[in-house]
Amino acid sequence: AQTVTQSQPEMSVQEAETVTLSCTYDTSESDYYLFWYKQPPSRQMILVIRQEAYKQQNATENRFSVNFQKAAKSFSLKISDSQLGDAAMYFCAYIASLGDEKLTFGTGTRLTIIP
Amino acid sequence: DTEVTQTPKHLVMGMTNKKSLKCEQHMGHRAMYWYKQKAKKPPELMFVYSYEKLSINESVPSRFSPECPNSSLLNLHLHALQPEDSALYLCASSQSPVNQPQHFGDGTRLSIL
Repeated sequence: AQTVTQSQPEMSVQEAETVTLSCTYDTSESDYYLFWYKQPPSRQMILVIRQEAYKQQNATENRFSVNFQKAAKSFSLKISDSQLGDAAMYFCAYIASLGDEKLTFGTGTRLTIIP
Repeated sequence: DTEVTQTPKHLVMGMTNKKSLKCEQHMGHRAMYWYKQKAKKPPELMFVYSYEKLSINESVPSRFSPECPNSSLLNLHLHALQPEDSALYLCASSQSPVNQPQHFGDGTRLSIL
């Protein structure tokens, strides 16, 4: 079974600084997708960024980028120029390309932005 | 604005009531999902509908009954719920059951008295 681990229950960062959230996963599949979702107090889960395992290039979306290390099964999220609106719960998630349609979530990291 | 619309946003019901949660998307997505989320926890998958057919039921108690009337609508019928069923219920949709990112609604906050 696939597992996703987020070892940092809470993180904080000064506004305008950079922060990195960690995520590791375990799978025997070779083809899969990884995601970072953000859930602010408003509670909607918002897709931040996605990475296809077959792509070596790390995904980037504006201030958000990932460091995808397939051999190490690591998928960290870097947020640059942190803003107050980035405060949220961040979930790392995995889904296999072929298989049971299930999105496996990590336990989440609560990010606080310090003004 | 969310592209997946859930109603109601809040629901309080007694253990003997029958109520329904509704989810709607107009993105042409062919897979729809129900999740249950407890405070400070990740969402837990309950049901997956793929091309309007139930493809996954994660051993959810029968007091939760999903229904997919058409490709845009997903309902969750509730009956005789227990206090431990109080949670945030999230609906999501994706273009296809695999490979595609899931888009979530705002959720329904359910409280069982």
